[in-house]
Amino acid sequence: GAVVSQHPSRVICKSGTSVKIECRSLDFQATTMFWYRQFPKQSLMLMATSNEGSKATYEQGVEKDKFLINHASLTLSTLTVTSAHPEDSSFYICSARSGSGGGQPQHFGDGTRLSIL
Amino acid sequence: RKEVEQDPGPFNVPEGATVAFNCTYSNSASQSFFWYRQDCRKEPKLLMSVYSSGNEDGRFTAQLNRASQYISLLIRDSKLSDSATYLCAVKYMDSSYKLIFGSGTRLLVRP
Repeated sequence: GAVVSQHPSRVICKSGTSVKIECRSLDFQATTMFWYRQFPKQSLMLMATSNEGSKATYEQGVEKDKFLINHASLTLSTLTVTSAHPEDSSFYICSARSGSGGGQPQHFGDGTRLSIL
Repeated sequence: RKEVEQDPGPFNVPEGATVAFNCTYSNSASQSFFWYRQDCRKEPKLLMSVYSSGNEDGRFTAQLNRASQYISLLIRDSKLSDSATYLCAVKYMDSSYKLIFGSGTRLLVRP
């Protein structure tokens, strides 16, 4: 089946550091990628949607200058948390879909657990 | 009001019990519906899609009621391995077809 690889799986770093998370589709072309964030005991909250070669569309309340998304190729999207602070500590999960329509399933990465000290 | 709402639980049931979860959604333009299972500190995994006619996969049965805007998941003969958080998800029929999740219902199956 379709595989989405997310890296790194765990990050611990100091406040003020910028952290980059990679999301790769290994056996299909991901026209659309989604980035979610999940705080403890809460649901997955969609942060942004990105289509290959286009600017990401951010959900309300998500700072685009804080969470930089790049989707430069059909197999790779990156999320950079700039100048991370303790409140950014969360579980970040990417999801990828081939095609821009709604008929294709979304495949999830394993997630990245980010801890900011 | 949240776009997708679920009772957070937890539902604590004995092995062999039947348990049902409900989920309501607010956007009537929602196109597709799903149930996901999420284990602790893991990514969500698709359990099943939900169709208007209802669908069954082994011990799991999903139902959709478009008029009342809710979906349900029924688990029969609960196993210890069913312990997890169950998330309902709704795909919107807009240009992004993004998937919106409910907050999840936690299930604990005890021996």
